[in-house]
Amino acid sequence: RKEVEQDPGPFNVPEGATVAFNCTYSNSASQSFFWYRQDCRKEPKLLMSVYSSGNEDGRFTAQLNRASQYISLLIRDSKLSDSATYLCVVSLPPRGSYIPTFGRGTSLIVHP
Amino acid sequence: ETGVTQTPRHLVMGMTNKKSLKCEQHLGHNAMYWYKQSAKKPLELMFVYSLEERVENNSVPSRFSPECPNSSHLFLHLHTLQPEDSALYLCASSPEQGAGYGYTFGSGTRLTVV
Repeated sequence: RKEVEQDPGPFNVPEGATVAFNCTYSNSASQSFFWYRQDCRKEPKLLMSVYSSGNEDGRFTAQLNRASQYISLLIRDSKLSDSATYLCVVSLPPRGSYIPTFGRGTSLIVHP
Repeated sequence: ETGVTQTPRHLVMGMTNKKSLKCEQHLGHNAMYWYKQSAKKPLELMFVYSLEERVENNSVPSRFSPECPNSSHLFLHLHTLQPEDSALYLCASSPEQGAGYGYTFGSGTRLTVV
């Protein structure tokens, strides 16, 4: 089992739709969780951290389910500009110190 | 401008060349990272530096040699690369090295080995 797994997609949704991505991780001792966004041929940019109690930032909601070892990202009222690849990042337990490990990414295409 | 600057943006090199990638961060962060991103693969962590000390070498071939002269600068020296080393090389920084810190990435160097 891969350390961090994401459905690569693409998720193809119309404007205004609600879309959700999951990311599973294999190590139950993982500590920190993030969602990044990467536009085509650009660098990843931090979208939001994921907190145990869940957190929201405008149209974006992130949740953590430690029991089932996954994090999720919900995007409401999708915009064309949300089209990108969404990467989940998990800080895996120490091999000396926590190592950030990226998932492969989930591609989102929002169409008119 | 992300606060992390990488040069050059694009690099084409032959297998016998020696070149260096440069990364500079203006964020006052103490940890810096090199990542490799190949097509259709997840980002692969190559090296981690914390306060100028290498804390992680993720089984990277010796043809990649990092250097961190101070906490603001990070280099990746390249020599005798292979075509499969062609990829996007991303530098990142974080306030500290460890769990709980988000990473700021540079724009990357797109490397082609011919």
